[in-house]
Amino acid sequence: GQNIDQPTEMTATEGAIVQINCTYQTSGFNGLFWYQQHAGEAPTFLSYNVLDGLEEKGRFSSFLSRSKGYSYLLLKELQMKDSASYLCAVMDSNYQLIWGAGTKLIIKP
Amino acid sequence: DVKVTQSSRYLVKRTGEKVFLECVQDMDHENMFWYRQDPGLGLRLIYFSYDVKMKEKGDIPEGYSVSREKKERFSLILESASTNQTSMYLCASSSGLADYNEQFFGPGTRLTVL
Repeated sequence: GQNIDQPTEMTATEGAIVQINCTYQTSGFNGLFWYQQHAGEAPTFLSYNVLDGLEEKGRFSSFLSRSKGYSYLLLKELQMKDSASYLCAVMDSNYQLIWGAGTKLIIKP
Repeated sequence: DVKVTQSSRYLVKRTGEKVFLECVQDMDHENMFWYRQDPGLGLRLIYFSYDVKMKEKGDIPEGYSVSREKKERFSLILESASTNQTSMYLCASSSGLADYNEQFFGPGTRLTVL
């Protein structure tokens, strides 16, 4: 079966760095997405990785290792507004997105 | 600015009622999707469509149907609502021409079936 695993909840301090991990087992791979979802709102796109390595976009970076079935989202200089759920999703061989349950990130002052 | 809109943010229905959830996108996207989102579970795909009048079943189509008569509009129908269909319903769209098919989401409809 297809499976995406990510921690249910993480807590971090304002101004710090946090890494959210995602491991996956899917039938085929056509890229991995990270989305941010604030409570009661729609998910919004953060990043896309299809090749191994690190993609940096401002305070957020995303890393992929296809051989390990592993990705992480790195958030630097955390701000209170970063409190949200972070969803990992993998596009399988049929170009369908398989979604993880999301990681709720709590930022404390 | 890209936009996906859904007809209602909150909806309360009775068991057995027929429910229509509407989604409209203004980006001329070919692909449209209906998901449901429940606590502790990832987004689960109900139905999707790659073109007008075309539909494909997702992972959990039972109890649902869809309609896509126009490119910009994708409707989800609950033929006879049941309490286990209480959920957050999210519509999304994506371009069939994009390199990586980023999906754009609507604000969601929180449906409660009593």
